[in-house]
Amino acid sequence: GAGVSQTPSNKVTEKGKYVELRCDPISGHTALYWYRQSLGQGPEFLIYFQGTGAADDSGLPNDRFFAVRPEGSVSTLKIQRTERGDSAVYLCASSKWAPPGQGSNTGELFFGEGSRLTVL
Amino acid sequence: AQTVTQSQPEMSVQEAETVTLSCTYDTSESNYYLFWYKQPPSRQMILVIRQEAYKQQNATENRFSVNFQKAAKSFSLKISDSQLGDTAMYFCAFTTIQGAQKLVFGQGTRLTINP
Repeated sequence: GAGVSQTPSNKVTEKGKYVELRCDPISGHTALYWYRQSLGQGPEFLIYFQGTGAADDSGLPNDRFFAVRPEGSVSTLKIQRTERGDSAVYLCASSKWAPPGQGSNTGELFFGEGSRLTVL
Repeated sequence: AQTVTQSQPEMSVQEAETVTLSCTYDTSESNYYLFWYKQPPSRQMILVIRQEAYKQQNATENRFSVNFQKAAKSFSLKISDSQLGDTAMYFCAFTTIQGAQKLVFGQGTRLTINP
């Protein structure tokens, strides 16, 4: 697609439920990122994929959060046993980033419009 | 760990005025990228301008320019001839060259352009 697409745009769920958020990156972008943005704050890094593998998941807050990218394109962020504190906008971004020495980088990330998660 | 600080939670100016948004950062790295992103109510983060730390010349994109002071670790954004469409949240962000573009964002500045 022309841009990064995220679904659903808004999700309301009850405490304890399971949630999946989907990200469809720009075609040809090998790197994909998930960020979480709480109200009034800047985005915080969650996880980064290079191809199919999670190259850095150091931002995932706990083991209730998990993300996959099985075919190196679409990614799904999965949240188990949701808590009210998980309420936030979840942003996905993609880029052509390549490890140093393997290609040129501009440093730019292309973001989707985010999925707003509300846990009641 | 790298940190980014934006000390102005909100700013408001009249249309056509010039406004400067402040950003400071902390890092021990010598080579990195700095960015300003705009986030309108649609929530989509849009790149405004980027600066590579090894370039001394300040980046400019039309009405947007930066004042990059590497020694002071300061990276301010100047918007000239401000327009109503500039109203948005503005985030300063940092990433190391080696950092796989894992951006570290500041807290944001809410900019309002008044008619």
